[in-house]
Order: sequence, then structure tokens, then C-alpha cells
Amino acid sequence: DTEVTQTPKHLVMGMTNKKSLKCEQHMGHRAMYWYKQKAKKPPELMFVYSYEKLSINESVPSRFSPECPNSSLLNLHLHALQPEDSALYLCASSQPGQGDGGYTFGSGTRLTVV
Amino acid sequence: GNSVTQMEGPVTLSEEAFLTINCTYTATGYPSLFWYVQYPGEGLQLLLKATKADDKGSNKGFEATYRKETTSFHLEKGSVQVSDSAVYFCALRDSGGSNYKLTFGKGTLLTVNP
Repeated sequence: DTEVTQTPKHLVMGMTNKKSLKCEQHMGHRAMYWYKQKAKKPPELMFVYSYEKLSINESVPSRFSPECPNSSLLNLHLHALQPEDSALYLCASSQPGQGDGGYTFGSGTRLTVV
Repeated sequence: GNSVTQMEGPVTLSEEAFLTINCTYTATGYPSLFWYVQYPGEGLQLLLKATKADDKGSNKGFEATYRKETTSFHLEKGSVQVSDSAVYFCALRDSGGSNYKLTFGKGTLLTVNP
């Protein structure tokens, strides 16, 4: 299995809702990432988990809360989002410590905050 | 810090034309270099990579050579197809201790017309 699977593919939520994005990989990768991508822009790193521990938080607002329950799963919990948080949210995985390896990206969740 | 500069788009070509997308980088260490492709409505796919100077990455007719002397990693394809229409991102990953971050260029939109 060489894929990163993200669910849901599309999500519309109100500013008072609580929702979660899910990401799963079975490649044995021990680093997992959340990226945010606005239209016509490159992805921006949000969080990095390495061996199930949060290792990088790129000063992301607390309304985004990541969770890594095990080495295959990564969640992003959303609460009280703003319309400007509407974007494509991409999950990725890689082997930590191997700089020559690329990341494997999921297809993303397209989030619309209304 | 690390940075990637790639040619601004959009680039519009006719089918079977030759493609070059320029990419130059600045890095403190010895980075690995990547080209990612993003088709409309999808996540990022690794197109090719090179991990050391003079390496040539290739995939699906695309090629790029890691040129340390010019700090460049230009993407080329001899004959593009309509199906190559996508956004192309050049990226680097440092070889140092904190090598989790992929640094992306701004992306180049390629449109290939029949």
C-alpha cells in the first residue's frame, strides 16, 4: 500500500461547528504532516508528528488541534473556524531522518467554512 | 534559510512542444531536490527527485538534473501532452537535523493545448 488516504474529501462547516479530518497510511512511515493550501499557492506546513509525538507546530491557531493516535493515523480537529480557514488540507507522510526521501501526499480535504 | 525560486507562470504550450520550468534554490546544507505535480482538484504527487549533485531524476518523460554549481534543478520534457496540464512545484528538503520541512517554490501552472 503506497497511499495516504484522507477523509472526507469535501467538508462544509459553520463557524460554530466541531469537525475532524482524518488521514491514514500503511507504508510504515513514522513522520506525518498536515499542510494547508490556499488556491494558487504552495502548501504551507502546519504540524509535524514524528514517532507519534508532535515535533513541529508552525504557530498554528489553537482552533486547529492535531492528534496522532498511532503510527498509521493522523487527525486534525477543527473548532470555531473562520471563513479564511477555507482551504485544501493535505496530509503527508515520510520516513523521518531520511532527507533524500520525498513525502507521500494524500488527495486532501477541501474545507469550506461558512 | 532555505528557499526555492521557480519561474512564474502560467506557461501555455501546444501539444508536442518542449517544456522547461526553471528552478533555483538556496540551502544551508546539502538538500535533496524534488518536483511535485498537482493535477486539478487533487493532492501533490512526487514526479521526480535527486539527492546529490549531478544526479538526474526522471519519470514519465520528465527530467531534472541537480546542478550544485548553479544551484538549479530545472524541469524538462521533450514533448508535452494535454494530460501534462497541471501545477508543478519545485521543492527541497534539507539533509540536516531538522529535515522535516519541505520548502516549496510558488508553483508553475502549465496548460497544454491540443
